[in-house]
Amino acid sequence: DIQMTQSPSTLSASVGDRVTITCRASPSMSRWLAWYQQKPGKAPKLLIYKASSLESGVPSRFSGSGSETDFTLTISSLQPDDFATYYCQQYNSYPITFGGGTKVEIK
Amino acid sequence: QLQLQESGPGLVRPSETLSLTCTVSGGSISSSDYYWGWIRQPPGKGLEWIGSIYSGGSTHYNPSLKSRLTMSVDTSKNQFSLKLNSVTAADTAVFYCARAAGGSPSYFDYWGQGTQVTVSS
Repeated sequence: DIQMTQSPSTLSASVGDRVTITCRASPSMSRWLAWYQQKPGKAPKLLIYKASSLESGVPSRFSGSGSETDFTLTISSLQPDDFATYYCQQYNSYPITFGGGTKVEIK
Repeated sequence: QLQLQESGPGLVRPSETLSLTCTVSGGSISSSDYYWGWIRQPPGKGLEWIGSIYSGGSTHYNPSLKSRLTMSVDTSKNQFSLKLNSVTAADTAVFYCARAAGGSPSYFDYWGQGTQVTVSS
């Protein structure tokens, strides 16, 4: 199984900040990685797939990068609507696995 | 616009079988080359993939649940279903159904709103 480790688990930031969330894969994989945003009581929303491809309708302040073992999700300028929990997910192989999540809180 | 809706009992007794159905609207479950999946989220915790099924019936299950899990698809009703037997309190979670965007495995681009299932006597 590919284990996905996200860091940090919690992040405090202010509106306008540049925010980076990391996801580490073990063992290494290709670029079959997705990022999701989840707000309380809601289903996850797809942001990024194939490590860096932006899902249609997602604001361009979200970007993804990385390959092999290290992946990042970057929010270039944090907006009030972005305070949420973010998850990475690998789809390189079965079983599909998710990272533990990163909660982005208001500083 | 594709929509998915989970349905099923909100309360299941320990040792019994949890049964959920996902109804797909706005598109045919068998018209394109997609898998359809179930994901769960225990209270206050992260996401766990349960399994995925193709419209033709091919399945992939999480090994941690495989011995208790059965997934099926009914193309005539545009639905797919989940049965998890011998449930315990550890199976209490919000259960989501979702579409796997393409390929196998894949990411999930459309999600249902989720349904809370509590295992309790």
